[in-house]
Amino acid sequence: NAGVTQTPKFRVLKTGQSMTLLCAQDMNHEYMYWYRQDPGMGLRLIHYSVGEGTTAKGEVPDGYNVSRLKKQNFLLGLESAAPSQTSVYFCASSPLGRREGNEQFFGPGTRLTVL
Amino acid sequence: GQNIDQPTEMTATEGAIVQINCTYQTSGFNGLFWYQQHAGEAPTFLSYNVLDGLEEKGRFSSFLSRSKGYSYLLLKELQMKDSASYLCAVSSGNKLTFGGGTRVLVKP
Repeated sequence: NAGVTQTPKFRVLKTGQSMTLLCAQDMNHEYMYWYRQDPGMGLRLIHYSVGEGTTAKGEVPDGYNVSRLKKQNFLLGLESAAPSQTSVYFCASSPLGRREGNEQFFGPGTRLTVL
Repeated sequence: GQNIDQPTEMTATEGAIVQINCTYQTSGFNGLFWYQQHAGEAPTFLSYNVLDGLEEKGRFSSFLSRSKGYSYLLLKELQMKDSASYLCAVSSGNKLTFGGGTRVLVKP
């Protein structure tokens, strides 16, 4: 099993450009999440999904959109990138109803720089 | 609202013990997670507490007091490879809310 994978690993954008980050998981997990991580601020939830075809806003959703057309994929879109969106983006997935609670499994991250 | 506090940085010597505290005030509580994150890598699961008390896993232990909104992660017999950030996260509903992380530096 590959677990949670993210594409791309690195990207540099100019202000106003758009891009899509792809997250894929092969663990048949119901829940998927997108976080951003900035120095000193920990992980902040952008959007999440509790199943195929569903999405919901997290703590910092502005400037981002998401889609979950297939259970195994969760896409994060930036329609018009801004320098404030320079960050490391992590995707995570979680199974449903485990004794261990909703432990989340993280992808390797995408480092995005917006100039 | 959600508020989770942990120290920013701690330094300890190889072979010693370090205790990382986490205090939280959250609307809703299912349990508390600790994750380890090495620089440039993804967070990885360390421990989960849902009931009050101590959970021990080898060199790592985690404690929870729900009435006090308090948890700690105890790292014993520190090794150089334990130099990393340690993230406290409160589970509520389908979501985790993370603290800012504590960077632990282990010195020889």
